[in-house]
Amino acid sequence: QVQLVESGGGLVKPGGSLRLSCAASGFTFSDYYMTWIRQAPGKGLEWLSYISGSGSDIYYADSVRGRFTISRDNGKNSLYLQMNSLRAEDTAVYFCARYPRWPDYWGQGARVTVSS
Amino acid sequence: DVVMTQSPLSLPVTLGQPASISCRSSQSLVYSDGNTYLNWFQQRPGQSPRRLIYEVSKRDSAVPDRFSGSGSGTDFTLKISRVEAEDVGVYYCMQGTHSPFTFGPGTKVDIK
Repeated sequence: QVQLVESGGGLVKPGGSLRLSCAASGFTFSDYYMTWIRQAPGKGLEWLSYISGSGSDIYYADSVRGRFTISRDNGKNSLYLQMNSLRAEDTAVYFCARYPRWPDYWGQGARVTVSS
Repeated sequence: DVVMTQSPLSLPVTLGQPASISCRSSQSLVYSDGNTYLNWFQQRPGQSPRRLIYEVSKRDSAVPDRFSGSGSGTDFTLKISRVEAEDVGVYYCMQGTHSPFTFGPGTKVDIK
């Protein structure tokens, strides 16, 4: 069965960096576009970025463009989100999901808190 | 960016009664391939979102048939024919037609 498991969340100071990982299993990872979506505490869902199966097609929402970098390692069946220059407003649960246009499987989320 | 609006934002419902949530987009969601990428998600308290409906009206496997989606262009609806206790949660529409993809603000469904 399809499984997505995020890791790498935690507490970081404003201006700091963090890298999230998403381990995928149960499907041919390299065949699928993947995406990151976040949810601030008590708020709604915000779509952030996608990457194609080969890694050649990448898109970012304006809120994270220039600060966050999406990448993948198909040999390790893993998706990544490198987050730099973190701000308080980046505090959220970060979900990885399959299929950006119609996310069908989601991970359980990784909690990121940006605070001094 | 395409703005997604939902109404109502809060929906108290009686068990066994129908419920309906409206979702509107600021632009047509018909993609160049002719498909309309409008999805509905359910998020139960403390859980990850779960997709219920994709491409306006296609129900995911394991989703009860009391859930149905309809609409076209910029106007969409999620209906629950008879609300059950397990349906409590927040429901989001999401468009996957125009990048960046965007979600509606969510509709909180609870039991009266």
